[in-house]
Amino acid sequence: AQKVTQAQTEISVVEKEDVTLDCVYETRDTTYYLFWYKQPPSGELVFLIRRNSFDEQNEISGRYSWNFQKSTSSFNFTITASQVVDSAVYFCAPWTGGGNKLTFGTGTQLKVEL
Amino acid sequence: EPEVTQTPSHQVTQMGQEVILRCVPISNHLYFYWYRQILGQKVEFLVSFYNNEISEKSEIFDDQFSVERPDGSNFTLKIRSTKLEDSAMYFCASSENPTGVYGYTFGSGTRLTVV
Repeated sequence: AQKVTQAQTEISVVEKEDVTLDCVYETRDTTYYLFWYKQPPSGELVFLIRRNSFDEQNEISGRYSWNFQKSTSSFNFTITASQVVDSAVYFCAPWTGGGNKLTFGTGTQLKVEL
Repeated sequence: EPEVTQTPSHQVTQMGQEVILRCVPISNHLYFYWYRQILGQKVEFLVSFYNNEISEKSEIFDDQFSVERPDGSNFTLKIRSTKLEDSAMYFCASSENPTGVYGYTFGSGTRLTVV
């Protein structure tokens, strides 16, 4: 069974600051996928990224970037120049073939203030 | 952009009553899921469904829960006799394949309140 830890319960930053959200996972599978979802105050779950375990290239999408380190089982998410609209709960969620399901972490509440 | 539609957005029911939560997945998706989120807590997997049968279910998904795809478009979650602890946001999701190559698309959720 997989396990995921998002140690940061809540982070508060001032707009334009960079912020990194940590995610550490545990799995015995060699093939797995890692997801990040955003849950804004309105409550929906918004897909951000999927990364497979064989691809350790970091990814950048606009102000968002992801750092996948297989050696430390981490898949961290950085928002550059944060904006108020980034305020949300962010969930890291691994998927492994043993379950055909996402296992969500406890989430990190990000608050971006003016 | 295609979306997963859930109805109703909010349902209040009395303890012991049956409820049916409805979802219309994205039309070309083959894999369907229900998750729930108790207020302020993490999102928990309930069940996955493929080819008209359950492929995986969690410990939460006991005999009080059932799912079906009655007409090829709707995907429903039934709770037979609701308990206070069933109060949560229930999310339906769908994907093209089991590994979610393009992500799992979630609906906006149904907030179930059991009183």
